[in-house]
Amino acid sequence: DAKTTQPNSMESNEEEPVHLPCNHSTISGTDYIHWYRQLPSQGPEYVIHGLTSNVNNRMASLAIAEDRKSSTLILHRATLRDAAVYYCIPFLTGGTSYGKLTFGQGTILTVHP
Amino acid sequence: DSGVTQTPKHLITATGQRVTLRCSPRSGDLSVYWYQQSLDQGLQFLIQYYNGEERAKGNILERFSAQQFPDLHSELNLSSLELGDSALYFCASTPGGWGEKLFFGSGTQLSVL
Repeated sequence: DAKTTQPNSMESNEEEPVHLPCNHSTISGTDYIHWYRQLPSQGPEYVIHGLTSNVNNRMASLAIAEDRKSSTLILHRATLRDAAVYYCIPFLTGGTSYGKLTFGQGTILTVHP
Repeated sequence: DSGVTQTPKHLITATGQRVTLRCSPRSGDLSVYWYQQSLDQGLQFLIQYYNGEERAKGNILERFSAQQFPDLHSELNLSSLELGDSALYFCASTPGGWGEKLFFGSGTQLSVL
């Protein structure tokens, strides 16, 4: 299974951009990269996902390295409501591993007022 | 509101007992995932169903079983419960296509005393 590496924690100030990195050097060419976040006592919430090219939505942007070994989730202007655990997850699409979304430890994002 | 409904929200039971957790996916979604989240293990993928058939299996114990019914709702059965089974159990659904995003329910908090 593909493995991911994320910083344990990051901090940001409100209204500033945040760049959350993720290394996923073992994913295959057809595995998607998903990002979810989780607030305390809530279910994970989808943020964004992509395959090869950069992606944007109303919540965030996802920048995927050309070699696909890493990606960066970008929150353009952090708010206090963005404080959460952020998970970078490869969506495996090969063989018996299809559909497995395995969550790692994630990055705890703290946003300061 | 993700559109995924989990019942009950809280469940308290004793060791050795059996419980059933229920999940109703979003309207039109064919695929259901089950996850277990405990403080020391993080989010663990248990099992995935697609249109009634098991599609992927994770770290699901033999004491646990699941199924997806013709109306697409799913049940997770936990038997011979142990103290260590106390956790938040999440269900997620997705239309079932290639690499699509997951929508998570708010979870069932299981406490085994």
